[in-house]
Parts: sequence; C-alpha cells; structure tokens
Amino acid sequence: DSGVTQTPKHLITATGQRVTLRCSPRSGDLSVYWYQQSLDQGLQFLIQYYNGEERAKGNILERFSAQQFPDLHSELNLSSLELGDSALYFCASSVADGYGYTFGSGTRLTVV
Amino acid sequence: GESVGLHLPTLSVQEGDNSIINCAYSNSASDYFIWYKQESGKGPQFIIDIRSNMDKRQGQRVTVLLNKTVKHLSLQIAATQPGDSAVYFCASRRGAQKLVFGQGTRLTINP
Repeated sequence: DSGVTQTPKHLITATGQRVTLRCSPRSGDLSVYWYQQSLDQGLQFLIQYYNGEERAKGNILERFSAQQFPDLHSELNLSSLELGDSALYFCASSVADGYGYTFGSGTRLTVV
Repeated sequence: GESVGLHLPTLSVQEGDNSIINCAYSNSASDYFIWYKQESGKGPQFIIDIRSNMDKRQGQRVTVLLNKTVKHLSLQIAATQPGDSAVYFCASRRGAQKLVFGQGTRLTINP
C-alpha cells in the first residue's frame, strides 16, 4: 500500500457519460498529480494541484476537469466520454513540488 | 519543450544477469531524475532518484548513473530476478516543475 488511495479501481461506462475519479493523497502530501496511461503507453501528465490550487496543467482535454478539496483529496471529472478516453488514470502525491511522487494503484476506465 | 526518451522499448535478460536500462533527456537544465518500476496492473513504484550534483547513486541491487555531458541516465539492476519483470520509466524535472516521464522500457526475464 503506497498510501495514495484511488477509487474506484475499475469503471465501465458508456460513451457520452460523465464519471468522477477520486484520489486521497498520502498523509502530509500537499501536491496531487493526475496522469493518464493508455495501453502500452507512457504516463501523460494531466494536471497538478498544490494545497487546493491548480499548479500546473498538461495535456488535459477541456472535457476533463479536476479539483482539490480542503482535506486535500482530489477528484478528476471526465465528461462526454469517448472510446479513446479508455485508459488507466493515476493519481500521485508528493510533499513538495516535483520530488519523489508516490503513485496510487490507478483507476481503469473502460468506455464502451 | 522537455522530453525524456528511452533507447529501447523492450529488453530481455537472463535470470541472474545484470540489466541496464537507458534513458536520454533533452533539457540540460534538468536537475532531478527518478526511476520508476511498473508491474502489470499496478501503479508506478519509486525505485531510486538522483540529483544533478551527483553522477552515481546506489540502492539495493540498483544503481543509477547520470551523465550530464550527454544527457543520459541509466538504471542498472544487479542479478536480475523474475520479480524484476516490469516496465521501467525514467523521469526528469527542472526546478519545481512537474516530472516528465519517458515512454518506458519493458524488461523481461528469461529463466
């Protein structure tokens, strides 16, 4: 157990739907990062939050949004889902910017 | 922009041999580097990191070498075991910016 908790572990939904992925960072970590990993691909950075505020944005689609709440957990919202959104979505946390990310076990999203 | 690449997408080694996984980075200002291991169906797991003021760092059975002159990073795994089978990612960072991950190398251990 890495200390970063992601729920749900698996999600199957239809095209056009909206889903919310949840991440609880490791205790004491203020930064949360979201990554997308498609089949046999690398990790594509989506977005980072630090202590409740958006810190950096990567290749995140406009249909996707995220937020970090006062208790530091984060949610990634994916809407108007397309087949190509099927992927593993990972959350990572760190104490400070950029050092030693700890990853959760991911949410596997399947859009049918 | 910054990119991190790996020389080979796959690597097969015999059990007991040493493995060397290579990685090139493009940003000469990168000052922090990490290697992650990702087993099938799991999240990436931290292996070892190194800062740019060092050229070598050793852990348990793993060594990371950094050559800033040619912007090259390598991960050496000693006495490779079946449990080392995984995809290995390198990542780099400049200052407080986010980590940039490479595409990954799949390491397969032959019995």
